[in-house]
Amino acid sequence: NAGVTQTPKFRVLKTGQSMTLLCAQDMNHEYMYWYRQDPGMGLRLIHYSVGEGTTAKGEVPDGYNVSRLKKQNFLLGLESAAPSQTSVYFCASTGLAGGYGELFFGEGSRLTVL
Amino acid sequence: DAKTTQPPSMDCAEGRAANLPCNHSTISGNEYVYWYRQIHSQGPQYIIHGLKNNETNEMASLIITEDRKSSTLILPHATLRDTAVYYCIVRVPGPNYGGSQGNLIFGKGTKLSVKP
Repeated sequence: NAGVTQTPKFRVLKTGQSMTLLCAQDMNHEYMYWYRQDPGMGLRLIHYSVGEGTTAKGEVPDGYNVSRLKKQNFLLGLESAAPSQTSVYFCASTGLAGGYGELFFGEGSRLTVL
Repeated sequence: DAKTTQPPSMDCAEGRAANLPCNHSTISGNEYVYWYRQIHSQGPQYIIHGLKNNETNEMASLIITEDRKSSTLILPHATLRDTAVYYCIVRVPGPNYGGSQGNLIFGKGTKLSVKP
């Protein structure tokens, strides 16, 4: 009963390094989302996907890229990490079939950029 | 999607009912009220949703006023594990949280502290 799984859970990067966060869901959901959360703030949408092979920009997309090559996976990439990207990143998914669009979240990935 | 207003923080005694208010005076007729919570450092968790009738599930009850301009989430017997930030959201039901509305979805919520 995995739901939404994010890897890695913690990562420390140096400025300019690159990395990829992986989000995997086993609920056959069509929609997937990447959010970031900074201290004292709510969640802000980075990028999202409405289906395999599609991606779209959210509120704060700059400095990030995403890919959805498989329906169950949504990757978030940082090509050249900056200290401003220090944050907690959450992946979420939801489906078309049934329900009212409740979001299912992963446990988060804590990224520190030095 | 309509905006919501929630108090930034509330306290509740353990074992008592926690009543979390939310104002959504500009809610549209086809918009639902959703509640999520986020326990420290964890991903947000869906709690309940409703349109106009009161709703109850194993986690909480949702009371929506007749004019639908406000609602209250009720945790009937709060425990220490209910300490979390609670988010009230109003939106048209469905899976698309993207587009220009994405940034309106999760505000700062109400930080509920359940005290022994």
